Order: sequence, then C-alpha cells, then structure tokens
Amino acid sequence: NAGVMQNPRHLVRRRGQEARLRCSPMKGHSHVYWYRQLPEEGLKFMVYLQKENIIDESGMPKERFSAEFPKEGPSILRIQQVVRGDSAAYFCASSARGAQTNEKLFFGSGTQLSVL
Amino acid sequence: GDSVTQMEGPVTLSEEAFLTINCTYTATGYPSLFWYVQYPGEGLQLLLKATKADDKGSNKGFEATYRKETTSFHLEKGSVQVSDSAVYFCALSGGGTASKLTFGTGTRLQVTL
Repeated sequence: NAGVMQNPRHLVRRRGQEARLRCSPMKGHSHVYWYRQLPEEGLKFMVYLQKENIIDESGMPKERFSAEFPKEGPSILRIQQVVRGDSAAYFCASSARGAQTNEKLFFGSGTQLSVL
Repeated sequence: GDSVTQMEGPVTLSEEAFLTINCTYTATGYPSLFWYVQYPGEGLQLLLKATKADDKGSNKGFEATYRKETTSFHLEKGSVQVSDSAVYFCALSGGGTASKLTFGTGTRLQVTL
C-alpha cells in the first residue's frame, strides 16, 4: 500500500511563473491537507479538501494560491506568479475519515519549491 | 493563536546516550499533542501522541508526557540508536480537529557510533 506520493520532489521556478504541486493520497483516503514550511519555521496549515470540495482554506494566502482535489486524479496546489517568498517545502497529508479529533494524518515527503 | 516551541538543533549524540528534546506550547482549551518524525527522504510519520493532561504517549522506546501545568510535551528516549537520526517535530491540534496541526520548527537529531 503506497504512501502519500508528492511530485515533483524539487521544483525550480523563476519569478512570475506558475508552480503546480501534485499529491496522490494513500489508497482509500479521500481527505487531503496541504501544509507549508517556510525556512526556519514550523509547518503551517494551508487547506483541507475532500473529493471535489474545499472544506477549510483558512490558511491559504488570499491571492495567487489555489487548490483542488478532483473526483479523479491527484490533488493540485497551484501557485500563480510565484515570488521568492513562496520558496518553501510544501507537504501534503491524507486521512481516511476526515477532520476529527486524533484522526491520524499520513504525510508525503514534500515538494521543495525554489523561486529564482 | 496556537504555537509550539521546540529546542533548536541539531542535536548530536553518541549511540546509547539519553535523549531529551524539549517542546512547549501555547493554546486555548485542551489540545492534543503529537510528536512526528521525518527520516531522510521520507514524509512525516506520527511517532506518538497524548490527548489529555498527564497522558503519556510512547512508541519505539520514545515517550512524552502531557504536562498541562508546564505546557510541555518533552520527548525522551533512554538509549538512542543510529537509526533514530531524523528530524523530530512537536505539534498540537486544537479545536477538536486534527487537520489544523500547529507544528514546531523541528529538531534534527544526529546519532553517531
């Protein structure tokens, strides 16, 4: 049973370009969470999605960032017109039952985004 | 808002040494507390958790006790191994949901022979 798969592992973009980060949850999981780790900081919650729905996007920047989790295929975190401050490690996690107390999250190994 | 503070790394220990990684938190209400571990090239994995005051979480020889009076959840292991080399993250979840975990910055542990 494969774990949470994220790709690419490393992504380099120039300022103004678009970045697309992909996350395939564990088999049987329909709940996906995105976290971001800026340099020298802890992971910060960005968004929580269930198939075809955004449940909680309270941690998402208001502009340039969007996320989706279509009925088929991986979840996508999209960053338009990237800036150097977007350089960070982006982690995806999945769970089977959704946002409940003590629900176990399974994390991917992250995508390191570098903006030149 | 909620926050987690953990000791800065890297921490370098010899094999069989005693490990302590300090973690303190600030939160409203009664959060659940977690330690996650990230081995090189892998995703974060849940190491242990505690859901209420005085609970002790334990796994793979690691343990941590939820101390409400000192708002702490320090990670300990009596005898570390080279295979324990990894980055350790302290985290909390508040408000009854595990999806909005608040993490510390992580502490890198390097164990040498």
